[in-house]
This record gives sequence, structure tokens and C-alpha cells, in this order.
Amino acid sequence: NAGVTQTPKFQVLKTGQSMTLQCAQDMNHNSMYWYRQDPGMGLRLIYYSASEGTTDKGEVPNGYNVSRLNKREFSLRLESAAPSQTSVYFCASMRGGLYEQYFGPGTRLTVT
Amino acid sequence: SQQGEEDPQALSIQEGENATMNCSYKTSINNLQWYRQNSGRGLVHLILIRSNEREKHSGRLRVTLDTSKKSSSLLITASRAADTASYFCATVATTDSWGKLQFGAGTQVVVTP
Repeated sequence: NAGVTQTPKFQVLKTGQSMTLQCAQDMNHNSMYWYRQDPGMGLRLIYYSASEGTTDKGEVPNGYNVSRLNKREFSLRLESAAPSQTSVYFCASMRGGLYEQYFGPGTRLTVT
Repeated sequence: SQQGEEDPQALSIQEGENATMNCSYKTSINNLQWYRQNSGRGLVHLILIRSNEREKHSGRLRVTLDTSKKSSSLLITASRAADTASYFCATVATTDSWGKLQFGAGTQVVVTP
């Protein structure tokens, strides 16, 4: 079991470029989440998917889009990157109900 | 906005000592969770305590919850160098059905041998 995997691990973008962050889980979990973590702060929720086929906004969704491709995969897209999106991005999954979440290793994104 | 506030922001102790950190939150919760993050890594779930529980243990970890004060504490007993990490509390609000976590800013713990 790999758990939650994320690609890429690191990425540098220029302002205005686009990219997609990939996330996959092999635990057959229903719910998946994207968070961002800025220095000295906890994680903030960008988007989540309560189940396959549904997505919804979190606390900081502006500038992002998501796709729940299937039960395993949940991608995060930056259409036009801005320096304010420089952050570490974490994907997480949860089996359903209100339980603990399992986190991926993160993607460190720098926008110049 | 952050739901929780951890206190202290940083803690430095020696191996063998106990480490205590506190978390306060603002809204009514379904549960409160503690996570550990080693430098440059993802978060690892440590323990979950539900709103109708007052204390929970897991190995060297002890968590308390006081819903009347909207606060929780995490105690790590007999600390080891490997406990060096950031610790975050996260809450799930009673109004939330989808497990959305709201995190505090974390406590950085350094355990020196």
C-alpha cells in the first residue's frame, strides 16, 4: 500500500503559467482533500471531494480548480499561477464518516 | 481564518522530559484531532478525540478535551529525539458532514538528546 501519493514533489512556475498537481490514493477512501500550507501556518482547505463525482470549495478556492477523476484520483489545477500561490500543497483522503485523514508527502510549488 | 490556536508556538525540551501543548478553538466541534509533521514531510495522524470524550491515551500520548472551555491539550511523555516535529490540532465542526479539518498554526517541538 502506497497510501496517498502526489506528483510532482517540486515545481517552479513563472507567473501566468498553468499546471496540474496529481494525487492518488489506494485505500479505497471516499473523500479527498487539497490543502495548502504557508510558512508558520497550519493547513487551509482549498477544495474537497466528499465522494466520487462531487467537488466543493473550501476556505481558499480562488485561483484553483479540481477534478475528481475517479475514486482514486483527485487533481488540483492552477490555470494562471500567481506568486501568492507559492506554497506547499498537500492532498489527503478519508474513508468516510468523520475520521482521521491520511496525507500525501506534499508538492512544493514556487511561482516567480 | 484559522479555527485553532496552539500554545506555545515553540517548545524546546530534553529527552526524557514531558512535552505539553495546548489548543483552543472557536466553534462547536464533532471531534478534535492531533497531527505530527516532521520537517519537509506530510502530516501523520496521532489521535482523535470526540466531543463526548474527555481524555484519550495512545502509547506515550495523552489528549484531553474540555468542550466548555473549547480547549484541548496534548501530552507526550518521556520525549525522544524522534519526537522533534511540529504538532497541529485540527477540528471538525458540528455543522460539517464532510470531515473538513480546520487547523491551528502548530507547535514546533525540539527534543535534544
